[in-house]
Amino acid sequence: GQNIDQPTEMTATEGAIVQINCTYQTSGFNGLFWYQQHAGEAPTFLSYNVLDGLEEKGRFSSFLSRSKGYSYLLLKELQMKDSASYLCAVRESYNTDKLIFGTGTRLQVFP
Amino acid sequence: DTAVSQTPKYLVTQMGNDKSIKCEQNLGHDTMYWYKQDSKKFLKIMFSYNNKELIINETVPNRFSPKSPDKAHLNLHINSLELGDSAVYFCASSQEASGRSYEQYFGPGTRLTVT
Repeated sequence: GQNIDQPTEMTATEGAIVQINCTYQTSGFNGLFWYQQHAGEAPTFLSYNVLDGLEEKGRFSSFLSRSKGYSYLLLKELQMKDSASYLCAVRESYNTDKLIFGTGTRLQVFP
Repeated sequence: DTAVSQTPKYLVTQMGNDKSIKCEQNLGHDTMYWYKQDSKKFLKIMFSYNNKELIINETVPNRFSPKSPDKAHLNLHINSLELGDSAVYFCASSQEASGRSYEQYFGPGTRLTVT
């Protein structure tokens, strides 16, 4: 079966660091994506991991451990504009671009 | 320039009606998708087309029929609308390229409300 778990909500303070975890159990694996979605807007791509390890992109980093079925998104130097939902998604198959999304983590950043 | 566009942005209609949502992408991508995001914000794939060919067809009522006249357009027609169809529908596109990430670009969404 397919199962992607993320915490439902998180809160943090401006300037802090927050880590959003994602665990997955899928019938196949060919990459994990993180998307950001502000309220009322479309999801936008943040990061992609297909090999184990850390991918860094400015204030955002994403980590993957395929053996543990685990990823996290790390947000540093939090800003108010980072308040949004963060969606973890797994690409199951090499042959299709089908993404299985988690339910998303709603992050609220407070001053 | 808008990369992935959808029309309309809002759609309010009564049960039993038939409606269509249109999607266009100007990114030159080969693959387009329709997703449904329910009130709990869960985003679920419905359909995917690659070069006008249907490649993903999830368990969706056959009242929903996608149509791709060319690889830049993917429309969604819904017959006999039901209350449970109320959701935000997102169109997306991607370009498969060996060795590169397969990020999908999403349109702004169409908020469908069935009364």
